[in-house]
Amino acid sequence: ETGVTQTPRHLVMGMTNKKSLKCEQHLGHNAMYWYKQSAKKPLELMFVYSLEERVENNSVPSRFSPECPNSSHLFLHLHTLQPEDSALYLCASSQGFGGSKTQYFGPGTRLLVL
Amino acid sequence: KQEVTQIPAALSVPEGENLVLNCSFTDSAIYNLQWFRQDPGKGLTSLLLIQSSQREQTSGRLNASLDKSSGRSTLYIAASQPGDSATYLCAAKNNAGNMLTFGGGTRLMVKP
Repeated sequence: ETGVTQTPRHLVMGMTNKKSLKCEQHLGHNAMYWYKQSAKKPLELMFVYSLEERVENNSVPSRFSPECPNSSHLFLHLHTLQPEDSALYLCASSQGFGGSKTQYFGPGTRLLVL
Repeated sequence: KQEVTQIPAALSVPEGENLVLNCSFTDSAIYNLQWFRQDPGKGLTSLLLIQSSQREQTSGRLNASLDKSSGRSTLYIAASQPGDSATYLCAAKNNAGNMLTFGGGTRLMVKP
């Protein structure tokens, strides 16, 4: 596969469940991002990892826990979520961090919290 | 804090029309501004990126302009086609780091 892939594409979970979203980039990039896209709000940056170190945490609740084990993989661990966390979660990657580095986006995971 | 607004939220036009999508931002200290396209159930595809020192960028039937002083960018689509139907998002990158601030998007429908 090429580009940025995300699994699963769709996820339904209860508020007491624990699940993880996975993102993989095949572009040789070294920066990765998690975004949240809700139905009624603009796309919001959640986390940024550059060279496997978290460089940005945009005031995200602790029930969202990111993990970047290497430059190609990014996870978002979810636990005790709320219905308002239902959204499309998009992953992106870029070569380098800062400046005019274009971000390439994955197709997203559509999450529904019941 | 940067805020980005897109008007209109939705637009429906007949095929062949030229159209303009608007994007405004509150903090003019931007590094660049980018336009993306999002198809239903898919991620974002970058269309055009305008550096702060540039006034416009063109790609095929698309032309994006940037006026930093007034905090505005426009995306012009010439001779629209049904395949142009999608949500168009603009995003501003401020001078620090690689954070993008997105607008709410304009959902475009081009009718055959």
